[in-house]
Amino acid sequence: GNSVTQMEGPVTLSEEAFLTINCTYTATGYPSLFWYVQYPGEGLQLLLKATKADDKGSNKGFEATYRKETTSFHLEKGSVQVSDSAVYFCALNSGGSNYKLTFGKGTLLTVNP
Amino acid sequence: NAGVMQNPRHLVRRRGQEARLRCSPMKGHSHVYWYRQLPEEGLKFMVYLQKENIIDESGMPKERFSAEFPKEGPSILRIQQVVRGDSAAYFCASSPRTSGQETQYFGPGTRLLVL
Repeated sequence: GNSVTQMEGPVTLSEEAFLTINCTYTATGYPSLFWYVQYPGEGLQLLLKATKADDKGSNKGFEATYRKETTSFHLEKGSVQVSDSAVYFCALNSGGSNYKLTFGKGTLLTVNP
Repeated sequence: NAGVMQNPRHLVRRRGQEARLRCSPMKGHSHVYWYRQLPEEGLKFMVYLQKENIIDESGMPKERFSAEFPKEGPSILRIQQVVRGDSAAYFCASSPRTSGQETQYFGPGTRLLVL
């Protein structure tokens, strides 16, 4: 079955530091890959996605590249801000009739000023 | 264009009561998904519905839980005779169609607390 493993948190960084949150997956077929962000007390918001190998998703300074050879989709940002403090979820959704999103456990990021 | 709407945002129930959670999908979306987030865990799929049809309820507990998406009105997730272990955040998502590639858009969630 499908599974997502992401880096365990919490991750604490200073403002303007470089961020990497690792995510690897196991899936059948050709999954689409997603990063969702959950701010305190809110629902999940789609941050970025990639639908095929070598695609790069990007949004708000965050990037992730779909690496089929390493089954990875690591999230990166060159310079984090305090407002980036949130929980980040890696997820996948296999193509065809598999519509279920499979999520990782989430990584709590705290950015200090 | 309003996003996915869920109500109530917070719900407190005593053990044995019923909880009813509502979800209105985005305009033009006819597919609804419910997920549950237990404390300090990721979201787990519960059920997938289209209008008047349950497509996949493989993630729903076999007892006390039910879901519907009527022709008119919001989707409802119903939990009968709640227990403390039902305390969680319940998220609804919607998509315009399903090809496996469609993005699911999430609502703000209903946080259920069972006393």
